Amino acid sequence: KAGVTQTPRYLIKTRGQQVTLSCSPISGHRSVSWYQQTPGQGLQFLFEYFSETQRNKGNFPGRFSGRQFSNSRSEMNVSTLELGDSALYLCASSGGDQETQYFGPGTRLLVL
Amino acid sequence: AQKVTQAQTEISVVEKEDVTLDCVYETRDTTYYLFWYKQPPSGELVFLIRRNSFDEQNEISGRYSWNFQKSTSSFNFTITASQVVDSAVYFCALSSGGSNYKLTFGKGTLLTVNP
Repeated sequence: KAGVTQTPRYLIKTRGQQVTLSCSPISGHRSVSWYQQTPGQGLQFLFEYFSETQRNKGNFPGRFSGRQFSNSRSEMNVSTLELGDSALYLCASSGGDQETQYFGPGTRLLVL
Repeated sequence: AQKVTQAQTEISVVEKEDVTLDCVYETRDTTYYLFWYKQPPSGELVFLIRRNSFDEQNEISGRYSWNFQKSTSSFNFTITASQVVDSAVYFCALSSGGSNYKLTFGKGTLLTVNP
């Protein structure tokens, strides 16, 4: 079974731009969660989607948004990029609320 | 509020030494799950183990073992006879409220195993 895939793996953007990251979960997994990892703040939960619905959201500004499609693939969007948005963005999928999350390789975003 | 503390920021050992990574957690929930993940330089978080709050039985998997003690709110991870390939950042994480889709992570411990 293929693992979680994320595209692109690397991105360089400039301040003020917007970016869209994509995540394809493990086949059969309907829950997708997103995390931001920075050296200063560590790993922080962004939001989670299940069956195209956002069920929970972390403490991030509205510039961070996401969505999930009927095939469980998910995208997250960051608008009006700031330097502090430079981070590794990790996506995880699971087969249910009681199940383990499995992570993708991440997307490294650099904002200049 | 939930919290996970990994007091050891960095640990350096020589190959074949045993090493224990500490994890202390805080939660008000009676039902929760604890996890350990490994993050090699490539960046991907690799799942190692999951324990639920009702199962305090220690677990051993090859050179890895985990000690879960509710009395001290700890979930420590020991690598026996460490190898260079064990070098990575190790994260302890907690989920509660019956849903594992939102994990609270510790800051991680960077383990360096020198040949």
